[in-house]
Amino acid sequence: AQKITQTQPGMFVQEKEAVTLDCTYDTSDQSYGLFWYKQPSSGEMIFLIYQGSYDEQNATEGRYSLNFQKARKSANLVISASQLGDSAMYFCAMRENSGYSTLTFGKGTMLLVSP
Amino acid sequence: ETGVTQSPTHLIKTRGQQVTLRCSSQSGHNTVSWYQQALGQGPQFIFQYYREEENGRGNFPPRFSGLQFPNYSSELNVNALELDDSALYLCASSLTKQQFFGPGTRLTVL
Repeated sequence: AQKITQTQPGMFVQEKEAVTLDCTYDTSDQSYGLFWYKQPSSGEMIFLIYQGSYDEQNATEGRYSLNFQKARKSANLVISASQLGDSAMYFCAMRENSGYSTLTFGKGTMLLVSP
Repeated sequence: ETGVTQSPTHLIKTRGQQVTLRCSSQSGHNTVSWYQQALGQGPQFIFQYYREEENGRGNFPPRFSGLQFPNYSSELNVNALELDDSALYLCASSLTKQQFFGPGTRLTVL
């Protein structure tokens, strides 16, 4: 079974609108972390936001917020007021705290922001 | 503070050849992880080094090997290259649990 599932291969949004990118995960660990990264065409993975499994509040970083629903094992990324520069691939990733601290990534969602 | 750097940025090799990719970790970061990202896929974990020792390995064959040096920089070596090894190779360094990624090396195997 896949540990991270991103069901949206591509999403379109108009500039200034909000968009939600979906992510569900599968783990038996009680302690884990969830990450979202942005990857522009240049290739570098840019960290956006982090949510720990024990965090009670949803994480927010500027225009990014993470809608964390632990019982449903979902960690959706919400981007408010989309900008043209938000066009990129977005990856959800999980770090399970048992064992070494590596990341397991989903297949990504391509976001295109139109004027 | 210097971020994670990787060299070279692009590389073209032929099947059967060997390749070495390099990564300089962020200052003070003692852990380096390597990932392979095939076209249209998410990154896949290759292995991780902590203080010069391999600390974990993903589902990659032994022809993928690595090193970490005393200054925590790292190399990824791939022997007997195959066409499917064509990918973006990402290095990430960390001190605690958060990983910081380099810009990647794009390897093309012909």
